[in-house]
Amino acid sequence: DAKTTQPPSMDCAEGRAANLPCNHSTISGNEYVYWYRQIHSQGPQYIIHGLKNNETNEMASLIITEDRKSSTLILPHATLRDTAVYYCIVRATNAGKSTFGDGTTLTVKP
Amino acid sequence: EAGVTQFPSHSVIEKGQTVTLRCDPISGHDNLYWYRRVMGKEIKFLLHFVKESKQDESGMPNNRFLAERTGGTYSTLKVQPAELEDSGVYFCASSQMGGSFYEQYFGPGTRLTVT
Repeated sequence: DAKTTQPPSMDCAEGRAANLPCNHSTISGNEYVYWYRQIHSQGPQYIIHGLKNNETNEMASLIITEDRKSSTLILPHATLRDTAVYYCIVRATNAGKSTFGDGTTLTVKP
Repeated sequence: EAGVTQFPSHSVIEKGQTVTLRCDPISGHDNLYWYRRVMGKEIKFLLHFVKESKQDESGMPNNRFLAERTGGTYSTLKVQPAELEDSGVYFCASSQMGGSFYEQYFGPGTRLTVT
């Protein structure tokens, strides 16, 4: 799996957009970008994934650069419940293992 | 639809004892994974089952750990004998087979404390 780099921590004001960056410069052509988050004392939760096109679902948007070497997870209107550790994972789709890095601890403040 | 469940939620045992963790994946999910976070470090992959077969066990730390998935349904992870460094949170995840994309759904984890 490709290595990813994320900032260790970020703050965001409640109601504002949270933009979480991830660098994955060694990503291979068959590897997708996945985002998970872990709220304290819970298991990791899937958020979104993408290959090369931007993606949006009910939780977030994923922006992937044209060269696929980096991406940004966007939570459009962050709430206090979005405070969590966010993990950017790069892996192929064939049901392989997920390699978690240190993630970004997002703190949403009132 | 029920999610991935794990039992127990918390286990406290003494060094040298045996503990068995159980994971029930989402019904119909052929892929089952075990991960763990120890010493507050990052979440590490342990192994991957496809139905009852071990697809990838490259993350298993040593032979004190034994994972089984008889019948391709629930899985157990046994630690025998437990050591202090085994303390941490053990997560199980499952995903479907087939198609081009697999979301891995994680359980709440079992917190293991070895004293």
